[in-house]
Amino acid sequence: GNSVTQMEGPVTLSEEAFLTINCTYTATGYPSLFWYVQYPGEGLQLLLKATKADDKGSNKGFEATYRKETTSFHLEKGSVQVSDSAVYFCALSRLTGGGNKLTFGTGTQLKVEL
Amino acid sequence: DARVTQTPRDKVTEMGQEVTMRCQPILGHNTVFWYRQTMKQGLELLAYFRNRAPLDDSGMPKDRFSAEMPDATLATLKIQPSEPRDSAVYFCASGTGGTDTQYFGPGTRLTVL
Repeated sequence: GNSVTQMEGPVTLSEEAFLTINCTYTATGYPSLFWYVQYPGEGLQLLLKATKADDKGSNKGFEATYRKETTSFHLEKGSVQVSDSAVYFCALSRLTGGGNKLTFGTGTQLKVEL
Repeated sequence: DARVTQTPRDKVTEMGQEVTMRCQPILGHNTVFWYRQTMKQGLELLAYFRNRAPLDDSGMPKDRFSAEMPDATLATLKIQPSEPRDSAVYFCASGTGGTDTQYFGPGTRLTVL
Protein backbone atom coordinates (compact mmCIF):
# COMPACT_ATOMS: atom_id res chain seq x y z
CA GLY A 1 0.00 0.00 0.00
CA ASN A 2 0.91 3.68 -0.02
CA SER A 3 2.88 5.14 2.83
CA VAL A 4 4.87 8.23 3.75
CA THR A 5 7.75 8.36 6.22
CA GLN A 6 8.96 11.60 7.74
CA MET A 7 11.78 12.36 10.10
CA GLU A 8 10.74 12.54 13.72
CA GLY A 9 10.61 15.87 15.43
CA PRO A 10 10.76 18.22 17.02
CA VAL A 11 13.39 19.97 14.96
CA THR A 12 14.75 23.01 16.75
CA LEU A 13 16.71 25.62 14.80
CA SER A 14 18.00 29.11 15.30
CA GLU A 15 16.62 31.86 13.10
CA GLU A 16 18.33 32.05 9.69
CA ALA A 17 19.49 28.43 9.88
CA PHE A 18 19.08 26.02 6.97
CA LEU A 19 16.17 23.61 7.18
CA THR A 20 15.80 20.11 5.82
CA ILE A 21 12.90 17.83 6.68
CA ASN A 22 13.24 14.40 5.13
CA CYS A 23 10.33 12.59 3.51
CA THR A 24 10.30 9.29 1.66
CA TYR A 25 7.36 7.48 0.19
CA THR A 26 6.17 4.10 -0.99
CA ALA A 27 3.61 3.96 -3.76
CA THR A 28 2.92 2.23 -7.02
CA GLY A 29 2.99 4.27 -10.17
CA TYR A 30 3.40 8.03 -10.11
CA PRO A 31 1.81 9.76 -7.15
CA SER A 32 1.59 13.49 -6.66
CA LEU A 33 3.56 14.71 -3.65
CA PHE A 34 2.70 17.48 -1.22
CA TRP A 35 3.91 19.40 1.79
CA TYR A 36 1.24 20.79 4.08
CA VAL A 37 1.89 23.08 7.05
CA GLN A 38 -0.17 23.35 10.23
CA TYR A 39 0.23 26.40 12.43
CA PRO A 40 -0.88 26.15 16.07
CA GLY A 41 -4.64 25.98 16.40
CA GLU A 42 -5.24 25.95 12.66
CA GLY A 43 -6.02 23.52 9.88
CA LEU A 44 -3.53 22.24 7.36
CA GLN A 45 -2.50 24.56 4.53
CA LEU A 46 -0.99 23.46 1.27
CA LEU A 47 2.62 24.66 1.17
CA LEU A 48 3.79 23.19 -2.12
CA LYS A 49 3.28 20.26 -4.46
CA ALA A 50 4.92 18.37 -7.31
CA THR A 51 3.14 16.11 -9.73
CA LYS A 52 5.89 14.32 -11.62
CA ALA A 53 9.49 13.21 -11.30
CA ASP A 54 12.10 15.99 -11.15
CA ASP A 55 9.44 18.65 -10.59
CA LYS A 56 10.34 21.21 -7.97
CA GLY A 57 7.60 22.69 -5.85
CA SER A 58 8.30 26.02 -4.17
CA ASN A 59 6.48 28.56 -2.03
CA LYS A 60 7.42 31.15 0.62
CA GLY A 61 11.10 30.23 0.35
CA PHE A 62 10.45 26.51 0.83
CA GLU A 63 11.39 24.02 -1.88
CA ALA A 64 11.07 20.29 -2.48
CA THR A 65 12.09 18.20 -5.48
CA TYR A 66 10.29 15.03 -6.54
CA ARG A 67 13.01 12.37 -6.72
CA LYS A 68 11.66 9.16 -8.16
CA GLU A 69 14.98 7.33 -8.03
CA THR A 70 15.21 7.79 -4.26
CA THR A 71 11.42 7.99 -3.67
CA SER A 72 11.96 11.19 -1.72
CA PHE A 73 10.49 14.68 -1.43
CA HIS A 74 12.63 16.47 1.14
CA LEU A 75 11.57 19.94 2.27
CA GLU A 76 14.23 22.67 2.40
CA LYS A 77 14.49 26.32 3.26
CA GLY A 78 17.64 28.37 3.18
CA SER A 79 16.91 30.67 6.12
CA VAL A 80 14.12 29.94 8.57
CA GLN A 81 12.21 32.50 10.58
CA VAL A 82 10.44 32.28 13.92
CA SER A 83 7.18 32.53 11.99
CA ASP A 84 7.98 29.21 10.28
CA SER A 85 7.43 27.36 13.56
CA ALA A 86 4.71 24.84 12.78
CA VAL A 87 4.09 21.17 12.04
CA TYR A 88 4.95 20.05 8.51
CA PHE A 89 3.25 17.09 6.85
CA CYS A 90 4.46 15.26 3.79
CA ALA A 91 1.72 13.54 1.77
CA LEU A 92 1.10 11.67 -1.44
CA SER A 93 -1.98 11.37 -3.58
CA ARG A 94 -2.93 8.48 -5.76
CA LEU A 95 -5.91 8.30 -8.03
CA THR A 96 -7.92 5.25 -7.06
CA GLY A 97 -11.21 3.88 -8.23
CA GLY A 98 -12.83 5.99 -5.57
CA GLY A 99 -11.01 9.20 -6.40
CA ASN A 100 -7.96 11.02 -5.08
CA LYS A 101 -6.96 10.23 -1.51
CA LEU A 102 -4.12 11.75 0.47
CA THR A 103 -1.80 9.60 2.56
CA PHE A 104 -0.04 11.68 5.21
CA GLY A 105 3.16 11.22 7.11
CA THR A 106 3.11 11.63 10.88
CA GLY A 107 4.22 15.26 10.77
CA THR A 108 7.42 16.98 11.87
CA GLN A 109 7.29 19.80 14.35
CA LEU A 110 9.65 22.69 13.64
CA LYS A 111 10.59 25.17 16.34
CA VAL A 112 12.60 28.22 15.34
CA GLU A 113 14.22 30.27 18.09
CA LEU A 114 15.77 33.72 18.09
CA ASP B 1 -10.40 34.41 -0.34
CA ALA B 2 -12.49 31.23 -0.43
CA ARG B 3 -12.17 29.00 2.62
CA VAL B 4 -13.63 25.88 4.10
CA THR B 5 -15.62 26.70 7.22
CA GLN B 6 -16.38 24.40 10.12
CA THR B 7 -18.69 24.72 13.09
CA PRO B 8 -18.43 24.55 15.99
CA ARG B 9 -14.76 25.32 16.52
CA ASP B 10 -14.79 23.79 19.97
CA LYS B 11 -17.20 21.32 21.52
CA VAL B 12 -17.17 19.85 25.01
CA THR B 13 -19.73 17.20 25.75
CA GLU B 14 -20.40 14.31 28.05
CA MET B 15 -20.10 10.67 27.17
CA GLY B 16 -23.25 9.34 25.56
CA GLN B 17 -24.34 12.63 24.03
CA GLU B 18 -24.84 13.16 20.30
CA VAL B 19 -22.36 15.42 18.53
CA THR B 20 -22.87 17.00 15.12
CA MET B 21 -20.08 18.78 13.29
CA ARG B 22 -20.72 20.85 10.18
CA CYS B 23 -18.59 21.80 7.22
CA GLN B 24 -19.16 24.21 4.37
CA PRO B 25 -16.85 23.37 1.47
CA ILE B 26 -15.44 25.97 -0.88
CA LEU B 27 -18.07 26.96 -3.43
CA GLY B 28 -17.64 24.89 -6.57
CA HIS B 29 -15.69 22.09 -4.88
CA ASN B 30 -17.35 18.72 -5.41
CA THR B 31 -15.19 16.52 -3.15
CA VAL B 32 -15.36 16.64 0.64
CA PHE B 33 -13.16 14.77 3.11
CA TRP B 34 -13.45 14.21 6.86
CA TYR B 35 -10.28 13.61 8.90
CA ARG B 36 -9.58 13.02 12.55
CA GLN B 37 -6.32 14.14 14.18
CA THR B 38 -4.98 12.81 17.47
CA MET B 39 -1.51 12.82 18.95
CA LYS B 40 -1.49 9.04 19.00
CA GLN B 41 -2.83 8.24 15.52
CA GLY B 42 -1.98 11.38 13.60
CA LEU B 43 -4.27 12.24 10.68
CA GLU B 44 -6.82 9.59 9.78
CA LEU B 45 -9.20 9.76 6.84
CA LEU B 46 -12.69 8.94 8.06
CA ALA B 47 -14.80 9.39 4.93
CA TYR B 48 -15.11 11.28 1.71
CA PHE B 49 -17.75 12.31 -0.78
CA ARG B 50 -17.84 13.27 -4.41
CA ASN B 51 -20.84 15.10 -5.81
CA ARG B 52 -22.53 14.44 -2.45
CA ALA B 53 -22.25 10.67 -2.81
CA PRO B 54 -20.16 8.76 -0.27
CA LEU B 55 -17.15 7.17 -1.99
CA ASP B 56 -15.32 5.72 0.97
CA ASP B 57 -16.18 5.59 4.65
CA SER B 58 -13.99 2.66 5.56
CA GLY B 59 -12.07 4.72 8.10
CA MET B 60 -15.14 5.49 10.14
CA PRO B 61 -16.47 3.42 13.05
CA LYS B 62 -19.83 2.45 11.60
CA ASP B 63 -21.65 1.77 14.80
CA ARG B 64 -21.51 5.35 16.10
CA PHE B 65 -20.32 7.62 13.29
CA SER B 66 -22.27 8.82 10.29
CA ALA B 67 -21.44 11.31 7.55
CA GLU B 68 -23.80 12.97 5.11
CA MET B 69 -24.02 15.77 2.56
CA PRO B 70 -27.58 17.08 2.64
CA ASP B 71 -26.66 19.52 -0.12
CA ALA B 72 -23.60 20.74 -2.00
CA THR B 73 -22.87 23.46 0.57
CA LEU B 74 -23.08 21.37 3.74
CA ALA B 75 -21.39 18.23 5.01
CA THR B 76 -22.10 16.79 8.45
CA LEU B 77 -20.32 14.32 10.70
CA LYS B 78 -22.35 12.89 13.53
CA ILE B 79 -21.28 10.80 16.51
CA GLN B 80 -23.97 9.05 18.53
CA PRO B 81 -23.30 8.12 21.26
CA SER B 82 -20.00 9.88 21.85
CA GLU B 83 -17.21 8.31 23.90
CA PRO B 84 -14.08 9.78 25.53
CA ARG B 85 -11.90 8.07 22.90
CA ASP B 86 -13.59 10.23 20.24
CA SER B 87 -11.83 13.29 21.67
CA ALA B 88 -9.81 14.71 18.78
CA VAL B 89 -9.68 17.51 16.25
CA TYR B 90 -11.93 16.80 13.27
CA PHE B 91 -11.02 18.43 9.98
CA CYS B 92 -13.05 18.85 6.85
CA ALA B 93 -11.31 19.42 3.52
CA SER B 94 -12.65 20.07 0.05
CA GLY B 95 -11.34 19.86 -3.47
CA THR B 96 -12.34 19.44 -7.08
CA GLY B 97 -12.50 16.11 -8.81
CA GLY B 98 -10.02 17.25 -11.44
CA THR B 99 -7.14 17.92 -9.04
CA ASP B 100 -5.70 16.21 -6.01
CA THR B 101 -5.17 19.32 -3.88
CA GLN B 102 -7.28 19.48 -0.73
CA TYR B 103 -8.16 22.64 1.18
CA PHE B 104 -8.64 22.21 4.90
CA GLY B 105 -10.98 23.92 7.32
CA PRO B 106 -9.84 25.15 10.76
CA GLY B 107 -11.14 22.03 12.51
CA THR B 108 -13.53 21.22 15.34
CA ARG B 109 -11.86 20.36 18.62
CA LEU B 110 -14.05 17.77 20.35
CA THR B 111 -13.66 16.85 24.00
CA VAL B 112 -15.82 14.06 25.36
CA LEU B 113 -15.79 13.87 29.15
